[in-house]
Amino acid sequence: DQQVKQNSPSLSVQEGRISILNCDYTNSMFDYFLWYKKYPAEGPTFLISISSIKDKNEDGRFTVFLNKSAKHLSLHIVPSQPGDSAVYFCAVVTQSWGKLQFGAGTQVVVTP
Amino acid sequence: EPEVTQTPSHQVTQMGQEVILRCVPISNHLYFYWYRQILGQKVEFLVSFYNNEISEKSEIFDDQFSVERPDGSNFTLKIRSTKLEDSAMYFCASGGSGTDSYEQYFGPGTRLTVT
Repeated sequence: DQQVKQNSPSLSVQEGRISILNCDYTNSMFDYFLWYKKYPAEGPTFLISISSIKDKNEDGRFTVFLNKSAKHLSLHIVPSQPGDSAVYFCAVVTQSWGKLQFGAGTQVVVTP
Repeated sequence: EPEVTQTPSHQVTQMGQEVILRCVPISNHLYFYWYRQILGQKVEFLVSFYNNEISEKSEIFDDQFSVERPDGSNFTLKIRSTKLEDSAMYFCASGGSGTDSYEQYFGPGTRLTVT
C-alpha cells in the first residue's frame, strides 16, 4: 500500500536553516493532510494540517504547502532548531474521521 | 492540555497468551483508533471505533483482535492469542470534538513484545 510516499528517509540541516520535507500521494480524492513529529519511544505528535481548499497553512515556524495538481505536499521548518530532530510523518485522512494513512517518515537531524 | 494516555508502557508476553492494551482517550473526543508500528516499518491502521461500534478495520484486525469501550472513558485493544509477529508499538488515538478538522491525537504507545 503506497498511497503516501516520503521518498527521503533522512535529512540533515544546520541549526537556523530551513528544513524542507516532502510527501507525495496517489489518490486525488484525498482532501485533508497532516504532519506529525515523532521522537523515539513516544507517540506521534500532531504538528500542522491543511485541507485541500487551501494551498498553504502556517503555524509559527511550521508551514505546510499543498500542490493538489501535483499531489504533493511539503513541510517547511524555519528556522530549524536542535529540538526539531525527530522523525516526521505525513498522513492523509482517507475519509471524514476515517483512518490515517502514513508515509514512511523522514528522519531530520539538526546540527549545531 | 488534555492528552491520550496508554497503559502499560511495555508488555512482555508469551506466544499464545492474551493481552489487553488500555487507553484513555481525550474526554470530549468521539472517534477512537488503534494503530501499530512494527520496528522499522510504517505506522499502520488497525481499527476505528465510533458510537460504541467498529466503524472500520484493516485486514490485520482479524478475529484475534477485539476492541471495547467498557465504561465511557477507557478504550481497550485485546489480542486473544498473541503471535511473534504481533510484537510492535501499539498506539491509541482519538479525535473529533465537533470541529471541522480531522486531527487525531496519539498516546505514547505500548511496546508489546511477544516471546
